[in-house]
Amino acid sequence: AQSVTQLDSQVPVFEEAPVELRCNYSSSVSVYLFWYVQYPNQGLQLLLKYLSGSTLVKGINGFEAEFNKSQTSFHLRKPSVHISDTAEYFCAVSSNSGYSTLTFGKGTMLLVSP
Amino acid sequence: DAGVTQSPTHLIKTRGQQVTLRCSPKSGHDTVSWYQQALGQGPQFIFQYYEEEERQRGNFPDRFSGHQFPNYSSELNVNALLLGDSALYLCASSSDAGAVGIYGYTFGSGTRLTVV
Repeated sequence: AQSVTQLDSQVPVFEEAPVELRCNYSSSVSVYLFWYVQYPNQGLQLLLKYLSGSTLVKGINGFEAEFNKSQTSFHLRKPSVHISDTAEYFCAVSSNSGYSTLTFGKGTMLLVSP
Repeated sequence: DAGVTQSPTHLIKTRGQQVTLRCSPKSGHDTVSWYQQALGQGPQFIFQYYEEEERQRGNFPDRFSGHQFPNYSSELNVNALLLGDSALYLCASSSDAGAVGIYGYTFGSGTRLTVV
């Protein structure tokens, strides 16, 4: 079984500032890692995913994340945020074998103010 | 190309009633998963359907049941509704239940169920 911990429930930041959203996972097997974004009254949209290879993953909208196996972390970063980045962000994990499903963290609300 | 379509978008039901939610997967996808997202929480896995069979199930009571049709669309049924069933119900489709991690999920916008 897997679990995901998102350490911050809310992250307030000013526009054009950098941001990091933290994610730690726990699993007894090898995993794939994901970040999803949810805008108000919408479903989830995939930002990026780590399957294998380079530990630095680039996604849509200028976001990137780094997989750190020794620290079991997959933190999401953006060097300069925009007002439009205000949304809920979810880290998720799935096993990399078998009929896998996604296990989500509780989410981090990113609040970007001018 | 339509993505995942869910209906209805909003629903209000009374405790004890039964509800059916519907999902049409993205074209080309054959696997449908259902998630419950309570207010302020991350989505919780309910079950996954592939080839019209329930492949996996999360920690949800038998009041939650589902079905997948030959055209890959799916229904989620909840019996004897409780106030705690109030949530956003998300449907996600994917290609090949055995490789969800590689191909990823496409999520619908969800059905907001309120139980009063």
